[in-house]
Amino acid sequence: EVQLVETGGGLVQPGRSLKLSCVASGFTFNNYWMSWTRQAPGKGLEWVASITNSGGSTYYPDSVKGRFTISRDNAQNTLYLQMNSLRSEDTATYYCTRAHTRSYFDYWGQGVMVTVSS
Amino acid sequence: DTVLTQSPALAVSPGERVTISCKASESVSTRMHWYQQKPGQQPKLLIYKASNLASGVPARFSGSGSGTDFTLTIDPVEADDTATYFCQQSWNGPLTFGSGTKLEIK
Repeated sequence: EVQLVETGGGLVQPGRSLKLSCVASGFTFNNYWMSWTRQAPGKGLEWVASITNSGGSTYYPDSVKGRFTISRDNAQNTLYLQMNSLRSEDTATYYCTRAHTRSYFDYWGQGVMVTVSS
Repeated sequence: DTVLTQSPALAVSPGERVTISCKASESVSTRMHWYQQKPGQQPKLLIYKASNLASGVPARFSGSGSGTDFTLTIDPVEADDTATYFCQQSWNGPLTFGSGTKLEIK
């Protein structure tokens, strides 16, 4: 059974940093691209970052480019999202997702809440 | 960025057929995918590449379309289908989602 378990969320002040982690199990982690997608409270979904299966390439939308960094440790089956210079508009539930290249997301974690507020 | 437009809400009775639409601001070929999100849960993949049923999804769900106009069909609708349904494209630029269609079962 595929499982994605996110940790690391919480309350953080604007301008500060936070790092999310996602431990994957139930599949061969290094065979798949992985992504992060977020959902602001009561709002829709927004793709945040993707990384190739080897970790050699990463992709971001303009809204987070230069502030967020996606990475992975294939030996530990773990995906990360380093979030710097956080803004109030980054407040959301962040989902770790297994991706079919830069296409669709076939498994989602339960999500972790990030609140950016002073 | 490619904008995906969905109707905000629909209400149908159990046993009926419902179609949920998604219109793209530019062609996305058949790179349109559909997700179901029940209240308090994470999204779940239903349909990928316009018409392919994801693993474990009941055959009551189907998808169609290409270019700019896409449809998710549920036939027949069941009470458990109460959820918000999102479309997502992966053909152009950054991956984008529609704003979601909230489906109420009367």
